[in-house]
Amino acid sequence: AQTVTQSQPEMSVQEAETVTLSCTYDTSESNYYLFWYKQPPSRQMILVIRQEAYKQQNATENRFSVNFQKAAKSFSLKISDSQLGDTAMYFCAYNNAGNMLTFGGGTRLMVKP
Amino acid sequence: EAGVAQSPRYKIIEKRQSVAFWCNPISGHATLYWYQQILGQGPKLLIQFQNNGVVDDSQLPKDRFSAERLKGVDSTLKIQPAKLEDSAVYLCASSIDTYRNTEAFFGQGTRLTVV
Repeated sequence: AQTVTQSQPEMSVQEAETVTLSCTYDTSESNYYLFWYKQPPSRQMILVIRQEAYKQQNATENRFSVNFQKAAKSFSLKISDSQLGDTAMYFCAYNNAGNMLTFGGGTRLMVKP
Repeated sequence: EAGVAQSPRYKIIEKRQSVAFWCNPISGHATLYWYQQILGQGPKLLIQFQNNGVVDDSQLPKDRFSAERLKGVDSTLKIQPAKLEDSAVYLCASSIDTYRNTEAFFGQGTRLTVV
């Protein structure tokens, strides 16, 4: 079974600075997908960024980028120019075709003014 | 495009009572998920449907939880009888297809409190 681990329960960052959230996963599959979801206090999960394992290039979405290290099974999220609206729970998730979407335990990010 | 709709938003029941949650996925989405999210934890998959068939229900406590998606569209998750440890947010999500690794879209969830 696939597992996803987020080792940082809580993090904080000053507004406009950069923060990196860590995620590791375990799988025996060679082709799979990784996601970062954001969950603000409203509870609605929102996709931040996704990475396909067969692509070597790291995904980027505006201020959000990932560092995907396939051999190390590591998938970290970097948030640049942090904004107050980035305050939320962040979840790393994994799936491959036909299997369930598995989430990590989450990292609570607080952006301070 | 309408998102994933869930109701109710909040529910408080006493232990041993029964409760049902409803979910209407995004139109055209074949895959529907039910997740349980206990406070401070990541979501745990309870059941995954592809159209009206079950893909995975290995983590569904079948002695008290049941779910159906009879016409391959909306779905109902039921708990009977409820226990205190069932207090959680129940999230419904949908995606285009289980076998295409597309993004899952989530509803706002139902917060269940069992007292």
